[in-house]
Amino acid sequence: DAGITQSPRYKITETGRQVTLMCHQTWSHSYMFWYRQDLGHGLRLIYYSAAADITDKGEVPDGYVVSRSKTENFPLTLESATRSQTSVYFCASSEFQVDGELFFGEGSRLTVL
Amino acid sequence: GENVEQHPSTLSVQEGDSAVIKCTYSDSASNYFPWYKQELGKRPQLIIDIRSNVGEKKDQRIAVTLNKTAKHFSLHITETQPEDSAVYFCAASNRGRYSGAGSYQLTFGKGTKLSVIP
Repeated sequence: DAGITQSPRYKITETGRQVTLMCHQTWSHSYMFWYRQDLGHGLRLIYYSAAADITDKGEVPDGYVVSRSKTENFPLTLESATRSQTSVYFCASSEFQVDGELFFGEGSRLTVL
Repeated sequence: GENVEQHPSTLSVQEGDSAVIKCTYSDSASNYFPWYKQELGKRPQLIIDIRSNVGEKKDQRIAVTLNKTAKHFSLHITETQPEDSAVYFCAASNRGRYSGAGSYQLTFGKGTKLSVIP
């Protein structure tokens, strides 16, 4: 039972490059989320998805793109990475919209030089 | 939107003592309050949650209390142990108030780093 997995776990890239972080879950949860975690800011929602082909912006969506063609996958793309996007990114899934447990992936640490 | 304030940002306690972390929220419609624990280098994990129709909930050494009138809720850890050392996040949501696009409303506090000194 793999649960929810993210790849890559660590990534170093340069300003202006495109980067895609992958997220895969095996529970068939309807809801999936992308958070970024920065010191002093806690967990901030970037994008979320209620089902395949349904996505919506969270608190900090600028500079990010998501897609969800299959229920189990929810990739996050930084189209032109900036240094301010250096962060730890967590993918999460949930069976319920807001009052159910969030199951987080292991996180992806991204450094933009 | 919802605003969640969490205090303190850091907390050190001696092993065996109790720890209390407090959160306030701004939206009186919020009705679900989870707490997540994140050990160093690990993913956040749910440790306890409470809904607005309950004033207190306990699970072994941890408990959460909710004061809807004052719009604050607290995490209590008794008989702290070194393995309780972690960052704790509170959150608040108002399921059902919104629907459709842009309706997701789970807001996290900024976290409390708890250190339990052996």
